[in-house]
Amino acid sequence: DVKVTQSSRYLVKRTGEKVFLECVQDMDHENMFWYRQDPGLGLRLIYFSYDVKMKEKGDIPEGYSVSREKKERFSLILESASTNQTSMYLCASIPSGGLIQPQHFGDGTRLSIL
Amino acid sequence: EDQVTQSPEALRLQEGESSSLNCSYTVSGLRGLFWYRQDPGKGPEFLFTLYSAGEEKEKERLKATLTKKESFLHITAPKPEDSATYLCAAGDDKIIFGKGTRLHILP
Repeated sequence: DVKVTQSSRYLVKRTGEKVFLECVQDMDHENMFWYRQDPGLGLRLIYFSYDVKMKEKGDIPEGYSVSREKKERFSLILESASTNQTSMYLCASIPSGGLIQPQHFGDGTRLSIL
Repeated sequence: EDQVTQSPEALRLQEGESSSLNCSYTVSGLRGLFWYRQDPGKGPEFLFTLYSAGEEKEKERLKATLTKKESFLHITAPKPEDSATYLCAAGDDKIIFGKGTRLHILP
């Protein structure tokens, strides 16, 4: 069974801090995704990566960057955290073969920016 | 613009009271429609994939169906443990998620 692990379940940071969210998958998947989930807005794609060192912007990339130095790890970086980035962040992965496949999700990181 | 719309936003049912959740989509060239279940504080868990109109999939008390404009998730004789948020997602070259239906089954 695919396991997607997000390093923190809960995180509290201060405005202006640089924040790192980590995600690791154990199934050698090529594609990895970062979403944020907010009440009333659903899941919105921030960035995705289709290979090591490769990335594509999603629908809401502003204020975020990503890093994929190894195939199994995909990091989301909040360059200078702001209160409007308080949210639930979800990581997902799928194997190669197109983006229209069931996604395997981690259990999320609930991030609060004070 | 491609869209996925779920209704209702929330649904409360008595245990054993069957019902359906709706997912309507405007995606040209649909290549897949997905249903997920999400429990509080957890990530979405994959339930079904549907690829073409007329297709149906079943798992325990859940049955998903697909037409050219919408998908239904039918819940037959639900139990309290079926309480969750159900997400629909669809796409051609990228996946779009609906906002979900919060289902609460009362014992």
